[in-house]
Amino acid sequence: LAKTTQPISMDSYEGQEVNITCSHNNIATNDYITWYQQFPSQGPRFIIQGYKTKVTNEVASLFIPADRKSSTLSLPRVSLSDTAVYYCLVGFKAAGNKLTFGGGTRVLVKP
Amino acid sequence: DARVTQTPRHKVTEMGQEVTMRCQPILGHNTVFWYRQTMMQGLELLAYFRNRAPLDDSGMPKDRFSAEMPDATLATLKIQPSEPRDSAVYFCASAWEGTGSYEQYFGPGTRLTVT
Repeated sequence: LAKTTQPISMDSYEGQEVNITCSHNNIATNDYITWYQQFPSQGPRFIIQGYKTKVTNEVASLFIPADRKSSTLSLPRVSLSDTAVYYCLVGFKAAGNKLTFGGGTRVLVKP
Repeated sequence: DARVTQTPRHKVTEMGQEVTMRCQPILGHNTVFWYRQTMMQGLELLAYFRNRAPLDDSGMPKDRFSAEMPDATLATLKIQPSEPRDSAVYFCASAWEGTGSYEQYFGPGTRLTVT
C-alpha cells in the first residue's frame, strides 16, 4: 500500500510557479501517480497523471525521478483561481490494490 | 459533457435514521468509487466496484454501511442506522479501467448531516 506525503500548505503569488512535491517511498512497479485539484464544495478534479520521467499538459507538468519515490507537480504562472487543495494519488487498477489519496496540499495564491 | 451525478446534494437526518445516497456514473465507465471527506480525516476511500462487482470495501464500517450497484447506471451507499459521526461529504467517482491507469471523475458530493 503506497502511502503519500505532501506539504500541508503553500503560499504563492500570482504569476509565480508553484511546485508541490509528493513522497511515495513504497510505490509499486505498476503504480501510476495522479494529481487532483479540489475547490471548496466541489469534488476533486483530475489534473495530470504519469508513470515516469516528465508529463506535461495544458495546465501542469509532472516530474518523476528515475527511482519514482517522489513526484513534483508544477503549476506555471498561477492565478488566484488556482487557490485550491491539491492531492497526490498513487495506485493501480489491479484488484486488491487500494488507491490512497495523500493528505493534500492547500495552495493559497495571493494577489 | 459527461458528468457523475449524485443525489441528494444535501441531507439532514436524525440519528438512527436510514440514509441512502445515489450515484449515476458516467455512461461507459466500468469502475465506481465511494469516498468520504471530513476535515479531520480528509478524503477516505470507502468502497469501489468494477463491472458492478465489489472489489474493496475495507474502508467502510461494515456494521452500518452498505454499497451496491443494482445496475450499471446506479450505485448506492446506504447507512443504517446513521450516527452523528457519519456527518461528512460523500463523493462518488467513476472511471474507465482500460490499459494502464485511469482518471477518476468525481461527482459533486452529498453533504450529510446527522443530528
